[in-house]
Amino acid sequence: QQQVKQSPQSLIVQKGGISIINCAYENTAFDYFPWYQQFPGKGPALLIAIRPDVSEKKEGRFTISFNKSAKQFSLHIMDSQPGDSATYFCAARQGAQKLVFGQGTRLTINP
Amino acid sequence: GAGVSQSPRYKVTKRGQDVALRCDPISGHVSLYWYRQALGQGPEFLTYFNYEAQQDKSGLPNDRFSAERPEGSISTLTIQRTEQRDSAMYRCASSSVEYGGYTFGSGTRLTVV
Repeated sequence: QQQVKQSPQSLIVQKGGISIINCAYENTAFDYFPWYQQFPGKGPALLIAIRPDVSEKKEGRFTISFNKSAKQFSLHIMDSQPGDSATYFCAARQGAQKLVFGQGTRLTINP
Repeated sequence: GAGVSQSPRYKVTKRGQDVALRCDPISGHVSLYWYRQALGQGPEFLTYFNYEAQQDKSGLPNDRFSAERPEGSISTLTIQRTEQRDSAMYRCASSSVEYGGYTFGSGTRLTVV
């Protein structure tokens, strides 16, 4: 059972553009929604996170938008740079600490 | 240590052999998690510990898989009688407080031949 659905699977954006990755969930008990960034050969690294009582969180060029009624949340990367090329995973926390991950989005920023 | 350390980095084993994967979390981190990540997929939860207590093992695929963290620091994930379908990247993560963000290790790539 896929509890967190992520799209698109892959995304190509021109340098300076906006990258948008979307996730949807079904379990209304989820209470914490992080995004992870993963470079080849490395483990996922926490990028930014949001709780469901907030509709938006911004950290530098990265913004999470959260729509509780639609059970959707998205990552926006402004002024995308080649160094942002990586795989991005959304996740949701279920229970005390267990994270459920989306399938990942491979982002490529063309120079 | 500075980060979450996993060993070995790569493990090739024959079908039917037992393997032990080791995780050394960030010093002082209370919680430790094991995940499995198939190529091109997100990490899939296996089990986690707070200190030495195993809190949730619902993600372990079957009874060939077990994990321990006897002194609340280093953890070992053991797979008995390995099968080809066990081949994957096994990742460990730790966090400093019960509701903190995870720090992942670089993983152990297990290949069962």
